[in-house]
Amino acid sequence: EIVMTQSPATLSVSPGERATLSCRASQSISSNLAWYQQKPGQAPRLLIYGASTRATGIPARFSGSGSGTEFTLTISSLQSEDFAVYYCQQYNNWPPLTFGGGTKVEIK
Amino acid sequence: EVQLAESGGGLVQPGGSLRLSCAASGFTFSSYEMNWVRQAPGKGLEWVSYISTSGSTIYYADSVKGRFTISRDNAKNSLNLQMNSLRAEDTAFYYCARKGPLLTYSYFDYWGQGTLVTVSS
Repeated sequence: EIVMTQSPATLSVSPGERATLSCRASQSISSNLAWYQQKPGQAPRLLIYGASTRATGIPARFSGSGSGTEFTLTISSLQSEDFAVYYCQQYNNWPPLTFGGGTKVEIK
Repeated sequence: EVQLAESGGGLVQPGGSLRLSCAASGFTFSSYEMNWVRQAPGKGLEWVSYISTSGSTIYYADSVKGRFTISRDNAKNSLNLQMNSLRAEDTAFYYCARKGPLLTYSYFDYWGQGTLVTVSS
């Protein structure tokens, strides 16, 4: 089973600042990685797939990068609606499909 | 508009059973592979089960194998999850999630709002 590790667990950022979230895979997953955003009381929403391709309707301030075992989600200028929990998920080797533990982006 | 609506959650005693359903609309359900993903209250996401378009290929997480059964009815645009021998650790929100359209890309492009299953005496 591929283990996904996200860091930090919590990120405190001021509105307008840049946020950088990390996701590490226990073995190479090529670019088979997705990112999701989840707000309280809501279902997760797909942000990025293929490590760097934005899903339909996702603003350009969200970008993904990386391949192999190290991945990054960057939010270039945080808006109020971006404060949420973010999860990465690998789909290179499955079953099982596995998620990281999440990074909570909170207002500083 | 793609919509996924789960139902069937509730309170059940340990060892009991529950059947979840997910009603799909706004897309050709029979053309998409589907999944169940769960989230214990205040915790992270855990993939539970996958079913292919025809239902011929099915996978389960080890944590539910032998206890849960996924199925689909393409004529009724419905995805189901039969949960038996329920345990306290199965308590979670259960989400129906559609696999994206690209053949080898198993990410989830649409999610339902979830239904809460609580296993407690």
